[in-house]
Amino acid sequence: SQTIHQWPATLVQPVGSPLSLECTVEGTSNPNLYWYRQAAGRGLQLLFYSVGIGQISSEVPQNLSASRPQDRQFILSSKKLLLSDSGFYLCAWSGLAGKGNEQYFGPGTRLTVT
Amino acid sequence: LAKTTQPISMDSYEGQEVNITCSHNNIATNDYITWYQQFPSQGPRFIIQGYKTKVTNEVASLFIPADRKSSTLSLPRVSLSDTAVYYCLVAYSSASKIIFGSGTRLSIRP
Repeated sequence: SQTIHQWPATLVQPVGSPLSLECTVEGTSNPNLYWYRQAAGRGLQLLFYSVGIGQISSEVPQNLSASRPQDRQFILSSKKLLLSDSGFYLCAWSGLAGKGNEQYFGPGTRLTVT
Repeated sequence: LAKTTQPISMDSYEGQEVNITCSHNNIATNDYITWYQQFPSQGPRFIIQGYKTKVTNEVASLFIPADRKSSTLSLPRVSLSDTAVYYCLVAYSSASKIIFGSGTRLSIRP
C-alpha cells in the first residue's frame, strides 16, 4: 500500500532563517506531487505541483521554492522565512492525471515563524 | 477557470442525513468532482469522487445532476465523529491544476 511521510511535524523558526520541509511517498511510482499551505481556519492553497523529477510548477508567487530530486521525494524550501510563511503545510500525491486526480495527503507540518 | 462554492458552515444532529452542496459553474467535460474530509491538524482524507449521476461508497453518496454545475455530498446517519471540514474539489483531467473550495464546517450535535 502507498504511504506518504512528511517531516518535521512541527517547526518554529525565526524570521529570516532558511526552511526545508521534506515529503516522501512509498508504494507508488511516478506520482504527481503537491505542496499546499493552509492558514489557520482557512482552506488549502496550492503552492507547487510536480509531474516528474525536476518538473515543478508554481501556482502563486511567493517566498518559497520546491524541488523534486527523486521520483518520490518532494522538498519545500525558503532562503529567508517571513512571518506570513507561518501555516500548516501539506504534501499530497496522486496518480496520473486523467483519473480525477484523487489525492492522498500527508500528516502535515505546522510551521510557526517568530 | 472553475471555482467551487460551498456553504461556510452547517449544523446537524446525530442520526440525521446531511447534504452539503457545492457549486462549480465552469466545470469542464473531463473534470471530476472529489470530496475530502479534514479534522483539525490533519491532512484531508478522500471521501468520494464522481463524474456524473450518482456514486455511493461505504461512507457517503455523491449526487451530480445532468448539467454537472453542482454536486451534493450526502452523509447518512451522521455521528459526532463526522464533525469536520468538508472540501469540494474540481480536478482538471488535462492538467494538475487543482482548486479547493473554501470548505464547509460541519458540526454534529448529540
